[in-house]
Amino acid sequence: GEKVEQHESTLSVREGDSAVINCTYTDTASSYFPWYKQEAGKSLHFVIDIRSNVDRKQSQRLIVLLDKKAKRFSLHITATQPEDSAIYFCAASPNSAGNKLTFGIGTRVLVRP
Amino acid sequence: ETAVFQTPNYHVTQVGNEVSFNCKQTLGHDTMYWYKQDSKKLLKIMFSYNNKQLIVNETVPRRFSPQSSDKAHLNLRIKSVEPEDSAVYLCASSFQANSDYTFGSGTRLLVI
Repeated sequence: GEKVEQHESTLSVREGDSAVINCTYTDTASSYFPWYKQEAGKSLHFVIDIRSNVDRKQSQRLIVLLDKKAKRFSLHITATQPEDSAIYFCAASPNSAGNKLTFGIGTRVLVRP
Repeated sequence: ETAVFQTPNYHVTQVGNEVSFNCKQTLGHDTMYWYKQDSKKLLKIMFSYNNKQLIVNETVPRRFSPQSSDKAHLNLRIKSVEPEDSAVYLCASSFQANSDYTFGSGTRLLVI
């Protein structure tokens, strides 16, 4: 089955700097790569995704890059703000009948003032 | 309000008891899921249901069983809880075709 490795367990950045979280996956059939954010004491909520037909997607201050050859994708949080502090989970899903998201272990991002 | 609703928020019980958690979604999604999040925040899928059919069933212990009356409801029953079942159980829903999940607020279970 799919395995998703999230390389940074914690990330501390100064407010205004960029934070980059890297993930790799194993299943070449994976075609959908969402990112979720979990703030302290709260549940996960979707922030951005990328599909395998593109290699870059941006939504406001969030940029997702996908390198299918290397089976690697990354989340770039630009111009970080204190409210960006949270745990971020990457995930991957194969392009087959039925959803099955496999999550990474999460990266705790701390934005320092 | 459209969302994923879970009850209860917290549950404390003793080893060997039976517990049941409820989940309802009002988003019109066709697939629902249960994930277990342990103390290290690791997320593992337990079950997913699509149109009342079990389509993913990871190797969870047999004391866990999903129960669905329709595509808007997916409950989770644990027959005889054990200490390692202490975790946060997250319910989610989505449209089948690789779209984003909406998560509920979770049910935190503590087994003593």
